[in-house]
Amino acid sequence: GESVGLHLPTLSVQEGDNSIINCAYSNSASDYFIWYKQESGKGPQFIIDIRSNMDKRQGQRVTVLLNKTVKHLSLQIAATQPGDSAVYFCAETPRFGNEKLTFGTGTRLTIIP
Amino acid sequence: KAGVTQTPRYLIKTRGQQVTLSCSPISGHRSVSWYQQTPGQGLQFLFEYFSETQRNKGNFPGRFSGRQFSNSRSEMNVSTLELGDSALYLCASRGFDEQYFGPGTRLTVT
Repeated sequence: GESVGLHLPTLSVQEGDNSIINCAYSNSASDYFIWYKQESGKGPQFIIDIRSNMDKRQGQRVTVLLNKTVKHLSLQIAATQPGDSAVYFCAETPRFGNEKLTFGTGTRLTIIP
Repeated sequence: KAGVTQTPRYLIKTRGQQVTLSCSPISGHRSVSWYQQTPGQGLQFLFEYFSETQRNKGNFPGRFSGRQFSNSRSEMNVSTLELGDSALYLCASRGFDEQYFGPGTRLTVT
């Protein structure tokens, strides 16, 4: 069945360094991918998305890379700050607007001051 | 503008009871989705409503149901509660862009 997996459950990064969070997905029909950030006591917050016709997309301090050949997604956060400490989830869906998202298990990112 | 609101924020119920959770989407948003989040299963899609119609459904038993009203507010109901239903229930709404999540309702079944 469909699954979206994360390579590491936890990641610790020094403040100011860059961090990379990885995600593997199994559904080759997936067309739309999203990264979410979830802080304690809050719902997931949209970070950045990418469609399958792209392999890279940049936002403010974040970059998402998509490798469809190996079904791999990554989130790069530049110059990490204490506020970046959270759990990060990748999610996929067959198309934009289809809310039936399949989420990964999450990576807890801790920023070391 | 105001975000997605969910009520109540915390709830404790006993096995066998039923529960109704409420979600008010961002003004103007017509799509409302519900998700269950547990430590063991992670985030799982329950269902989505759009203009009062269920547009998508996840793989949950029939004890889980929902509805949407004409003002886009949505409710989800869980009947005959089981211990395994203890979870954070998240609601999300979408307009024309990204999806916005509410803070969730923490349900504990004892």
